[in-house]
Amino acid sequence: GQNIDQPTEMTATEGAIVQINCTYQTSGFNGLFWYQQHAGEAPTFLSYNVLDGLEEKGRFSSFLSRSKGYSYLLLKELQMKDSASYLCAVNDDYKLSFGAGTTVTVRA
Amino acid sequence: TAGITQAPTSQILAAGRSMTLRCTQDMRHNAMYWYRQDLGLGLRLIHYSNTAGTTGKGEVPDGYSVSRANTDDFPLTLASAVPSQTSVYFCASSDGTSGGAEQFFGPGTRLTVL
Repeated sequence: GQNIDQPTEMTATEGAIVQINCTYQTSGFNGLFWYQQHAGEAPTFLSYNVLDGLEEKGRFSSFLSRSKGYSYLLLKELQMKDSASYLCAVNDDYKLSFGAGTTVTVRA
Repeated sequence: TAGITQAPTSQILAAGRSMTLRCTQDMRHNAMYWYRQDLGLGLRLIHYSNTAGTTGKGEVPDGYSVSRANTDDFPLTLASAVPSQTSVYFCASSDGTSGGAEQFFGPGTRLTVL
């Protein structure tokens, strides 16, 4: 089976940095995705990592360590609109297995 | 462009009744997926289709069936609904099954089974 763990909730202040960790144990691995989901909306793609290291995309960065089964999503210069759930998903056998998601609340 | 659409937006269904959730994409994507999303459990894969004419079972397929007669449509059928099928259902598509193929999600269908 698949085991993908991420914290349930995080709170941070506008302008700050937040790091969302994701650990995984899956039978296969073809890359790791991060999605953002605002309340009542569909998930939207943020990032994809398949090799170890850091991928930077504007205010968002994602890191992967395959040997540790670990990834994190880094959100910098937090804005109120970043309040959402962030979903970690592992591509295993070309199907995605999702973690339960981390709800980030940004306070003024 | 519409991208990926789902219908209905929401539905209340009596237990024991059947229902088909519709999903259509206009991106000519080969692969399509159905997920359910429940509080605290995240998105769970119900069924998938890597290409028209083929389907496969995901993590939670019991009580659901799918068909993929063409590239654009991927309906999900509940033959005899039960209250535990109350959930938000998302359809998704991607242009391939390679590792980095991003999945695009529809707006979701909120289903309540009473």
